[in-house]
Amino acid sequence: AAGVIQSPRHLIKEKRETATLKCYPIPRHDTVYWYQQGPGQDPQFLISFYEKMQSDKGSIPDRFSAQQFSDYHSELNMSSLELGDSALYFCASSSGLPNEQFFGPGTRLTVL
Amino acid sequence: GQQLNQSPQSMFIQEGEDVSMNCTSSSIFNTWLWYKQDPGEGPVLLIALYKAGELTSNGRLTAQFGITRKDSFLNISASIPSDVGIYFCAGHTINSGGSNYKLTFGKGTLLTVNP
Repeated sequence: AAGVIQSPRHLIKEKRETATLKCYPIPRHDTVYWYQQGPGQDPQFLISFYEKMQSDKGSIPDRFSAQQFSDYHSELNMSSLELGDSALYFCASSSGLPNEQFFGPGTRLTVL
Repeated sequence: GQQLNQSPQSMFIQEGEDVSMNCTSSSIFNTWLWYKQDPGEGPVLLIALYKAGELTSNGRLTAQFGITRKDSFLNISASIPSDVGIYFCAGHTINSGGSNYKLTFGKGTLLTVNP
């Protein structure tokens, strides 16, 4: 079965640079969620989109923004990167709300 | 915000043993989900629970949604080496704003199985 696709899988950036993470949900899933997971931590909710509209917002820094496109894929844009932004970033998708969320393999972001 | 207290933090068991872990909260949850995560990978959904008192099995895994809607447990029977990983409970709850889209996660239970 098709799963959530995330790209890139690994990303290395310098401080103050920008990064764009992409997420392609499971086919026919209309909701995407972004989570951040630091080392040894549980995933922390950042933001979600349902039918291309922002549906909920968590602890997402103002330096980050995201959107969901007409084909339901989503992008997380991160600017003015800081060392503390180094983490695993997961995208999850679901069909309807608040159904089961299926996670992608994640993007490991390292900020040097 | 809502917090999930997950215990134990870690477990070391012998292959073939049964294991149990649980999550509790001071808030009422509408959904309980259990995930397993391997290092560097995304959480994999194991079991989803939607009704208070619901007991659901998935192979050697059994999970229950507590009657009070504030707790859930996960049991793994006859553990095998590939059960090694971090198990997270997670749930949806209605916050004051009426939004319930995000998942709140427990801190995880690290399971080690000795062959």
